[in-house]
Amino acid sequence: NAGVTQTPKFQVLKTGQSMTLQCAQDMNHNSMYWYRQDPGMGLRLIYYSASEGTTDKGEVPNGYNVSRLNKREFSLRLESAAPSQTSVYFCASSESGGWTDTQYFGPGTRLTVL
Amino acid sequence: GNSVTQMEGPVTLSEEAFLTINCTYTATGYPSLFWYVQYPGEGLQLLLKATKADDKGSNKGFEATYRKETTSFHLEKGSVQVSDSAVYFCALRQTSGSRLTFGEGTQLTVNP
Repeated sequence: NAGVTQTPKFQVLKTGQSMTLQCAQDMNHNSMYWYRQDPGMGLRLIYYSASEGTTDKGEVPNGYNVSRLNKREFSLRLESAAPSQTSVYFCASSESGGWTDTQYFGPGTRLTVL
Repeated sequence: GNSVTQMEGPVTLSEEAFLTINCTYTATGYPSLFWYVQYPGEGLQLLLKATKADDKGSNKGFEATYRKETTSFHLEKGSVQVSDSAVYFCALRQTSGSRLTFGEGTQLTVNP
């Protein structure tokens, strides 16, 4: 039982390049989330998927797209990377979208955009 | 909108000292409240949570009580260890939404 896994762990991009961050969970959770973590700002929600087949914008969606490929996998795409997207990205999942639910986090992807 | 404010860090303590990390929140209704911990190089792990007023969450010697009257959820531990060194995040989740709203995090360093 690996929980939430993310690939890659580290990535360096040049401005304008594109890439996809992968996330998978093996807990049969319905809801999945993408956050970014910046110094002094906590974590901010980029997109989330309440259930398979649905996605919704979070607090900071600009410059990102997501795909809920199936119940297990939720990917985050940067179409044209910008230095402002340098951050640590965390994927999370929860059993449902309920407000008392615990979210389980992956180990993160550290992205640098030059 | 919702917001979470944590005491400014970093916090440095000696082993066996008493720990308090303050957390206050702004939200409508009755959100759920969480403390997450992030060890160096790792993702966030749930430390404890409380889902209604006056509930006390506890885990690994840490405690926090949901105080509706003061909109607070302060984290406490009676005797910290070096292994408690980490970043601690307070967070809330509204009844009507899916997302967690996080505080800015508090870096704790415990020296032997």
